Amino acid sequence: SQKIEQNSEALNIQEGKTATLTCNYTNYSPAYLQWYRQDPGRGPVFLLLIRENEKEKRKERLKVTFDTTLKQSLFHITASQPADSATYLCALYNAGNMLTFGGGTRLMVKP
Amino acid sequence: NAGVTQTPKFRVLKTGQSMTLLCAQDMNHEYMYWYRQDPGMGLRLIHYSVGEGTTAKGEVPDGYNVSRLKKQNFLLGLESAAPSQTSVYFCASSRDGGRYNEQFFGPGTRLTVL
Repeated sequence: SQKIEQNSEALNIQEGKTATLTCNYTNYSPAYLQWYRQDPGRGPVFLLLIRENEKEKRKERLKVTFDTTLKQSLFHITASQPADSATYLCALYNAGNMLTFGGGTRLMVKP
Repeated sequence: NAGVTQTPKFRVLKTGQSMTLLCAQDMNHEYMYWYRQDPGMGLRLIHYSVGEGTTAKGEVPDGYNVSRLKKQNFLLGLESAAPSQTSVYFCASSRDGGRYNEQFFGPGTRLTVL
C-alpha cells in the first residue's frame, strides 16, 4: 500500500541552527511533492512544490530536496527562528490523483 | 480576498444529531475538498468536488454527504453523528486538479460528538 512517513516525534533545535525534516514514501511514483506548514488551530499553508526532475528547490531560508531513488524528500530551514515553530506536512498525489498527506513533524525552535 | 472560510468554528453534537458544515471560497477555484484531521492520522480526504454540481468520494466517505450547488460553496453533512466523527474538519480548494497546484485551506471546524 502507499505510505508517506514523517517522523512523528517533535524536532527540537536551537535558534540559528538548521532544521532538517524528512519525508519518506513507498509505492508512489510522484511527479510532484509538496510541503505545507500548519500552526496550532489553523489550516495548513502551502510552502513549496518540487518536481521529480528538480533535485533541489529554494525559497528564502527554505530548501527542499527530492530523491526519487531513495524515495525521500528533505526539508531544511536554515537560520531557524522561534517563529518557524510549527508542524510541517509533506504531501504527494496518490494513484487516484488525490493529494495524500503525511502525518507531519512538529518543529520546536528554542530561543 | 477572504480565501477559504468555514462555518462554524466549533460545534458540539450529541450522538445521532445532524449538522452541516459550510465552506466558501472566493478564488473561483474549480476543485474543493473536505478533510478530517485526527491526532496521529494526518489529513484524510472525505469527499471532493471537481466542479459545480459534481462530488466524489475520498478515502473516508462513510457517514458523510456533500453538495456543491454553487461553485464557491461546498457543504459537508453529517446525517447521524457518531463519536468516531469527533475531529477537526478542514475544507480546501485548488485552481484545478493539476498536480502542480497548491491547495488553499480554511481555518477548520472542531467538532465534538458526545
